[in-house]
Amino acid sequence: QKEVEQDPGPLSVPEGAIVSLNCTYSNSAFQYFMWYRQYSRKGPELLMYTYSSGNKEDGRFTAQVDKSSKYISLFIRDSQPSDSATYLCAMIDYGGATNKLIFGTGTLLAVQP
Amino acid sequence: GAGVSQSPRYKVAKRGQDVALRCDPISGHVSLFWYQQALGQGPEFLTYFQNEAQLDKSGLPSDRFFAERPEGSVSTLKIQRTQQEDSAVYLCASSPGGGKGYEQYFGPGTRLTVT
Repeated sequence: QKEVEQDPGPLSVPEGAIVSLNCTYSNSAFQYFMWYRQYSRKGPELLMYTYSSGNKEDGRFTAQVDKSSKYISLFIRDSQPSDSATYLCAMIDYGGATNKLIFGTGTLLAVQP
Repeated sequence: GAGVSQSPRYKVAKRGQDVALRCDPISGHVSLFWYQQALGQGPEFLTYFQNEAQLDKSGLPSDRFFAERPEGSVSTLKIQRTQQEDSAVYLCASSPGGGKGYEQYFGPGTRLTVT
């Protein structure tokens, strides 16, 4: 079993919809939770990060972390065709020797105009 | 300022050839990471540098993989005697380190195809 599980999709929604992307994880030592966006043939771009449990909002994006359930979410409001990309969740055991990111497989999102 | 750059962007190698992939991190970033991304998968950690010191190479899949960062800036990932299973996108990321060690900024990657 992978440390981080993410539904690969693809997920197709109409423009303006609310999108919910989720990951589960098994390592309770994870403390930082990131969401990256990756366009085709590009490197991952850091969208948001959250430390420990709680919510964080940035424009149309909201990240939620529930450490008790080992479950994280990213919500995208008023989705736009330009949001079409692969969304990767990633986590860090910040107390470890290396701040290496542990990624999910990524969810491919298509927002239809 | 400039982001992380990688070269070449695309590389085709015949099985058995050696390849070298270059990463130029963001200026001043202490930490540098290499990841491997197979098609349809998330990136997987290969190795980590803090300045010129390679502190973690636990993700390197075999002794054919070697990475260096001799002056604490540019890094090179070398793969000897390439095999078809080495075909992937190789991503480099840099981080300021210290209290911002969780922020990693990725380059565009090098897509390696071994034929």
